[in-house]
Amino acid sequence: DQQVKQNSPSLSVQEGRISILNCDYTNSMFDYFLWYKKYPAEGPTFLISISSIKDKNEDGRFTVFLNKSAKHLSLHIVPSQPGDSAVYFCAASPSSNTGKLIFGQGTTLQVKP
Amino acid sequence: NAGVTQTPKFRVLKTGQSMTLLCAQDMNHEYMYWYRQDPGMGLRLIHYSVGEGTTAKGEVPDGYNVSRLKKQNFLLGLESAAPSQTSVYFCASRKQGRLANSPLHFGNGTRLTVT
Repeated sequence: DQQVKQNSPSLSVQEGRISILNCDYTNSMFDYFLWYKKYPAEGPTFLISISSIKDKNEDGRFTVFLNKSAKHLSLHIVPSQPGDSAVYFCAASPSSNTGKLIFGQGTTLQVKP
Repeated sequence: NAGVTQTPKFRVLKTGQSMTLLCAQDMNHEYMYWYRQDPGMGLRLIHYSVGEGTTAKGEVPDGYNVSRLKKQNFLLGLESAAPSQTSVYFCASRKQGRLANSPLHFGNGTRLTVT
């Protein structure tokens, strides 16, 4: 059973607009969440993270929101740029120390010029 | 600064053949991981290591073995390859401590096809 789900396989937005990528999880023991970005033929690269004790974390154009009661997190990219076109993976960890991440299936974001 | 380097980048095996995937990191990281990525399933943890000489099973360890004889290297072995092991394999490493201060750094992957 998939513990971390990204239900939208793809998303297309216009350059300059907001991109919102969503992620749902089932395990209430997860206490740390991360977003990774992946370009073709490359490995995932870390983008932004959030601890379960927070509900928001910002880093430049990227903001992650966590709603623990709904077991839902989202990544907002504002403004979106063509270089943001990639696959985005949501990941969760039951411990902030082990690094044993459970990944979602990924969402392919296309930002059109 | 090479980061995490995976060898080879591509490989085609026949069912029953064996091979070893090599991961090397030059960041002096304590923790290393092997993941596989399959279409529609995200990345799944195969095995991981929290230090030289120690390894542990992840979500999908069956059919794989690993070794961490040196801190900088983490080897993934397939003793008798099966078509179900066709996948893209990613190695990752991170320094010891909280994820907030040390997220995983990934290599560029090895694409393995088993016919």
